[in-house]
Amino acid sequence: QAVVTQEPSLTVSPGGTVTLTCGSSTGAVTSGHYPYWFQQKPGQAPRTLIYDTSNKHSWTPARFSGSLLGGKAALTLSGAQPEDDAEYYCLLSYSGTRVFGGGTKLTVL
Amino acid sequence: EVQLVESGGGLVQPGGSLRLSCAASGFTFRGYWMNWVRQAPGKGLVWVSRINSDGSSTTYADSVKGRFTISRDDAKNTLFLQMSSLRAEDTAVYYCAVAGSGGYWGQGTLVTVSS
Repeated sequence: QAVVTQEPSLTVSPGGTVTLTCGSSTGAVTSGHYPYWFQQKPGQAPRTLIYDTSNKHSWTPARFSGSLLGGKAALTLSGAQPEDDAEYYCLLSYSGTRVFGGGTKLTVL
Repeated sequence: EVQLVESGGGLVQPGGSLRLSCAASGFTFRGYWMNWVRQAPGKGLVWVSRINSDGSSTTYADSVKGRFTISRDDAKNTLFLQMSSLRAEDTAVYYCAVAGSGGYWGQGTLVTVSS
């Protein structure tokens, strides 16, 4: 089974910009992996932010964007807010199965 | 209002079985692929299984293959996960989630496998 890798932790200042990445042990991440990004706060269910690399849901704040960057999927947060302090997970598809990354703890400080 | 409500969790002995349900409302359930995802206490998200929009195709994580079965009843807007031969490592909160442009998640149901 493939392994999906994320930064364990990142810190961003309020108003700052940060990019979280999602890599695959099988090689470059492409649109064919249909990357998803999820946000989870303590004690809450996850929330889907991005699907299929860069598509947003109606509830996704405009400051979040998804892309492919340097062979990885990327989630960029521009203009971080205190409420963005959370765990972020990516999910990649592999011929029918899906694999989550280990998550990135983003601290807004 | 969109709602996904999981039920059926609880305490079960190792080797036992449990059937989880996910009741959907507020959106066109039959149009979406659906997933089950679990999260052990204090750990990250783990994908468990998915089913396509008409129920004709299912896939599973290696860790549950042969033990878990995903299914859906579009007439009742309900997703199921039949779990058998349960192990201690299956202990987790189980979430149902709508794939693709749906994006919705339930609040989860806790499954505890212990003697």
